[in-house]
Amino acid sequence: GDSVTQMEGPVTLSEEAFLTINCTYTATGYPSLFWYVQYPGEGLQLLLKATKADDKGSNKGFEATYRKETTSFHLEKGSVQVSDSAVYFCALIVSSNTGKLIFGQGTTLQVKP
Amino acid sequence: DAGVIQSPRHEVTEMGQEVTLRCKPISGHNSLFWYRQTMMRGLELLIYFNNNVPIDDSGMPEDRFSAKMPNASFSTLKIQPSEPRDSAVYFCASRRTGTSGVGEQFFGPGTRLTVL
Repeated sequence: GDSVTQMEGPVTLSEEAFLTINCTYTATGYPSLFWYVQYPGEGLQLLLKATKADDKGSNKGFEATYRKETTSFHLEKGSVQVSDSAVYFCALIVSSNTGKLIFGQGTTLQVKP
Repeated sequence: DAGVIQSPRHEVTEMGQEVTLRCKPISGHNSLFWYRQTMMRGLELLIYFNNNVPIDDSGMPEDRFSAKMPNASFSTLKIQPSEPRDSAVYFCASRRTGTSGVGEQFFGPGTRLTVL
């Protein structure tokens, strides 16, 4: 079945370090891919998305490129801030009609000053 | 826009009691999703509705769980009787379908449920 696998956390970085959170997926169709972020005590928010192969989603300095050949959608940021500390979820939708998201297990990022 | 509204934000109850969680989706959104989040199992989709009709409830853990959407602006998730293992954060999300592209899901702040 369809699934998403993320690198295990927690990921601990110093401020201004480079961030990569790996995400790979398995899907029977042609999924759309998403990164959601969850700040402490809050619900999830969409961070970025990509709907077809080679698309790059970007927002708030974060980027992820839809790689069909490697079935990956890795999240990157060149210089993290303490305010980026949160849990990051990779997700996919196979059928845009249903909108049913399949989430990875989440990766906790902690950025230290 | 007020966003997705959930109530209560926190609920503490005793085992065996009935618990009702409430959700008001964003106006104009016609899909609604209930999720449960725990440390052990992560984020799980329990059930979702399109145009007030339940489409997929395969994630509902057992018969103790039920969900309704009597109209486009309100949904409930009920647990009866509750058990300690139901302790979790329950999220509601809504989405607008029928537009071009892939519609984003908007999440509420969640209800933190503790069953003693």
